[in-house]
Amino acid sequence: AQSVTQPDIHITVSEGASLELRCNYSYGATPYLFWYVQSPGQGLQLLLKYFSGDTLVQGIKGFEAEFKRSQSSFNLRKPSVHWSDAAEYFCAVGPTFGNEKLTFGTGTRLTIIP
Amino acid sequence: GAVVSQHPSWVICKSGTSVKIECRSLDFQATTMFWYRQFPKQSLMLMATSNEGSKATYEQGVEKDKFLINHASLTLSTLTVTSAHPEDSSFYICSAKRGQDYGYTFGSGTRLTVV
Repeated sequence: AQSVTQPDIHITVSEGASLELRCNYSYGATPYLFWYVQSPGQGLQLLLKYFSGDTLVQGIKGFEAEFKRSQSSFNLRKPSVHWSDAAEYFCAVGPTFGNEKLTFGTGTRLTIIP
Repeated sequence: GAVVSQHPSWVICKSGTSVKIECRSLDFQATTMFWYRQFPKQSLMLMATSNEGSKATYEQGVEKDKFLINHASLTLSTLTVTSAHPEDSSFYICSAKRGQDYGYTFGSGTRLTVV
């Protein structure tokens, strides 16, 4: 069965500093991978997704992610964070053949300090 | 494009009553819709998957008689929490999948409080 691990529950970064959020997946074939962001009391917004092709994926709000098959990772990066980036970030994998659902990681809460 | 509207945003109801939450895809036809439940500071827990015109598929441990899901059209799915109790208080989020481009769009969520 597919699974996603986000090792960091909470990360604190200074405004203007770089950011990397980790995501590791377990899946037998080439995965479909997603990063979503959730502000408090809101739904999820798609930042970026990877299906195939170029392993470096560009997303919205200046985010990018790199798919590394050898490490089963899909880490999210941003070169310079803004206070508005404070939110919860979820990595997800899916769908699989015959099952259209996404499997989410436990999320990483990002705090930005001045 | 690809907007999912979820209503209401929040609802307070008395214990024992039923509450209906709507999820609409505004500018696309959703082949599949999903309903999630999210507890504070936790991840999303998939409750059920629904396809238009067919019965929903519930995840293990989810009471199908308590959480009724109807997917009557390609743009509308509803979740009805029947005989709600305080332990049903939670944040419920719907998601709609469009076609084959693996676009999963989420609603803004519904905060349900049962008193």
